Amino acid sequence: DIQMTQSSSYLSVSLGGRVTITCKASDHINNWLAWYQQKPGNAPRLLISGATSLETGVPSRFSGSGSGKDYTLSITSLQTEDVATYYCQQYWSTPPTFGGGTKLEIK
Amino acid sequence: QVQLKESGPGLVAPSQSLSITCTVSGFSLTGYGVNWVRQPPGKGLEWLGMIWGDGSTDYNSALKSRLSISKDNSKSQVFLKMNSLQTDDTAMYYCARGGNWFAYWGQGTLVTVSA
Repeated sequence: DIQMTQSSSYLSVSLGGRVTITCKASDHINNWLAWYQQKPGNAPRLLISGATSLETGVPSRFSGSGSGKDYTLSITSLQTEDVATYYCQQYWSTPPTFGGGTKLEIK
Repeated sequence: QVQLKESGPGLVAPSQSLSITCTVSGFSLTGYGVNWVRQPPGKGLEWLGMIWGDGSTDYNSALKSRLSISKDNSKSQVFLKMNSLQTDDTAMYYCARGGNWFAYWGQGTLVTVSA
C-alpha cells in the first residue's frame, strides 16, 4: 500500500495569512492526488482532485501543486471558515490511502 | 442533487457483525462506484472498500476477510457487512461516491462496539 505522510499534524496561522500543507507519498503517484477539508461533525469535503484541479464552488484562495511523491495544498488570505482538518488522498493504486491529516487553527 | 445517507445499528456487541445501508439519490448505482470509508473518533480516514457500477468489488486487503459489500440497484442501496467486530472498529462509517476521488459523501453513521 502507498503510505501518505502529512508532516504537520497541526498548524496555527494568522487570519489573512498564507498556509502550506504538505503531503508526501511513499511512491510516485503521478498527480493522482485529492485534498479534502473536514470540519468537526461533518463529512470530508473534496477540494482538489488531480493534484491541482479545484472543485466547483471551492474558493480560489485554495490551490494545489506538486508532482512525483510531493504535494502541497496552499491557502492564501486565511479566513475563519478555513479552520478545519485537511487530508490528502492518493488514488494511483488500490487501496486508496489518506494522509493522517493536518489540523489548521487561527493564531 | 446527489445525496447519500447511511443507516446503521449504532451499537454492536464485540464479536458480532455489522450491517450498514447507504441509500443514494440523484444518480444511478449502475453508473457510479460507491465506497465505504471509516473514521475512528479523533482519528484519520480509512478506506474499507467499494462496489463499482458493474457490481465488481475491491476491498482493503487488511479487512478483506471480514468485509462484504453488495448493492441493490433497483432500491438505490449499497450494503456493508463486517464480521467479528472489536472495540477498535468503533468509528464513523461513511459511504462516498467515486471511482478515484470522493466528491460526494454521506453524513456518516456512528458505530460503537461495546458490551
